[in-house]
Amino acid sequence: DIQMTQSPSSLSASVGDRVTITCRASQSISNYLNWYQQKPGKAPKILIHVASGLQSGVPSRFSGSGSGTDFTLAISSLQPEDFATYYCQQTFSIPLTFGGGTKVEIK
Amino acid sequence: QVQLQESGPGLVKPSETLSLTCTVSGGSISSYYWSWIRQPPGKGLEWMGYIYNIGTTDYKPSLKGRVTISVDTSKKQFSLKLSSVTAADTAVYYCARYNGYVGFDYWGQGALVTVSS
Repeated sequence: DIQMTQSPSSLSASVGDRVTITCRASQSISNYLNWYQQKPGKAPKILIHVASGLQSGVPSRFSGSGSGTDFTLAISSLQPEDFATYYCQQTFSIPLTFGGGTKVEIK
Repeated sequence: QVQLQESGPGLVKPSETLSLTCTVSGGSISSYYWSWIRQPPGKGLEWMGYIYNIGTTDYKPSLKGRVTISVDTSKKQFSLKLSSVTAADTAVYYCARYNGYVGFDYWGQGALVTVSS
């Protein structure tokens, strides 16, 4: 199985801050990496597909980058509605696997 | 707009079989992968498996032997069965559409299933 490791596991930030979350794969996954946002009591929502593709309807303050084993999700200016948990997920091979999540909290 | 809705018992006894159904509306059930993902309380997401078209399936290896996913295209439903459940199987179970390398693009709202006697 490909292990996905996210860091940090949690962070505190203020509205307007730039936030970055990293995801590392245990082996190269090319660009087969997606990012999701999950709010409490809700299903995850896809933000970024194939490492850097912005899902339709997702604000442009979200961006993704990386390839191979190292990936980054960035939020350019954190908004109140962005406080949530973020997960990376690889689609390179079965079994599909998720990172452990990064909880973004209000400072 | 594609919508998914999980249904099934919220309480299952240990050693019994967990059964959930996902109803798809607003789009075709053909030509996509339909998946089950679960999330234990306070923990992360775990892909369990998917089904494609009539019966091509793939499952997480650690669940093989316990998990079965099937589809009824006439009802636009797909189902999950997980046998020999224990308390460790207590989780919110999500059904989702897997759109290949672009990921899980549509999700149900989730169904909490508790395993307890």
